[in-house]
Amino acid sequence: KAGVTQTPRYLIKTRGQQVTLSCSPISGHRSVSWYQQTPGQGLQFLFEYFSETQRNKGNFPGRFSGRQFSNSRSEMNVSTLELGDSALYLCASSVQGEDEQFFGPGTRLTVL
Amino acid sequence: AQSVSQHNHHVILSEAASLELGCNYSYGGTVNLFWYVQYPGQHLQLLLKYFSGDPLVKGIKGFEAEFIKSKFSFNLRKPSVQWSDTAEYFCAVTSSGGSYIPTFGRGTSLIVHP
Repeated sequence: KAGVTQTPRYLIKTRGQQVTLSCSPISGHRSVSWYQQTPGQGLQFLFEYFSETQRNKGNFPGRFSGRQFSNSRSEMNVSTLELGDSALYLCASSVQGEDEQFFGPGTRLTVL
Repeated sequence: AQSVSQHNHHVILSEAASLELGCNYSYGGTVNLFWYVQYPGQHLQLLLKYFSGDPLVKGIKGFEAEFIKSKFSFNLRKPSVQWSDTAEYFCAVTSSGGSYIPTFGRGTSLIVHP
């Protein structure tokens, strides 16, 4: 099976801009979760989508949003970028959500 | 809200030394527990997991972890580390059943000297 893929792998934006990140889960996986990884904070859970519905949400401002399509692919959007949004954004998929998560390589976002 | 503490942020060992990485969580209900590993330049991947049953679980590459419910702990162990074990290790918790938010510890960076 192909693994979780994320595009783009690297992104440089300036403050105030918005960005959309994409994630394709492993075939058959219905749950897609997004995380923000930074050296100081580790992995912080953003949200989880299951069958096109946001099922769980972490403690992030409304500038962070996402969606899931009928083929389970997911996108994450960050609007009005801030310097502090610079991080590695990881996508993970799993069959049901509570089980093992399979992570993608991440998208490295740099906000200047 | 649940939380996960990894007590060792940086660990440096020589090859063949024994390893134990601490992980404590706070949550009053039933939990699922995980250890993930991120080797340099690679994706996060599952090392081992505990859902129920035998509290001593074995994972890949000779790693094992013991769930001690009374101590809210899920420590990772390996009797003899190798240089290839150099990586970042993350403990994670999800609540079992219903709505959940997976919580990760901040990670432990392990460096093994040959």
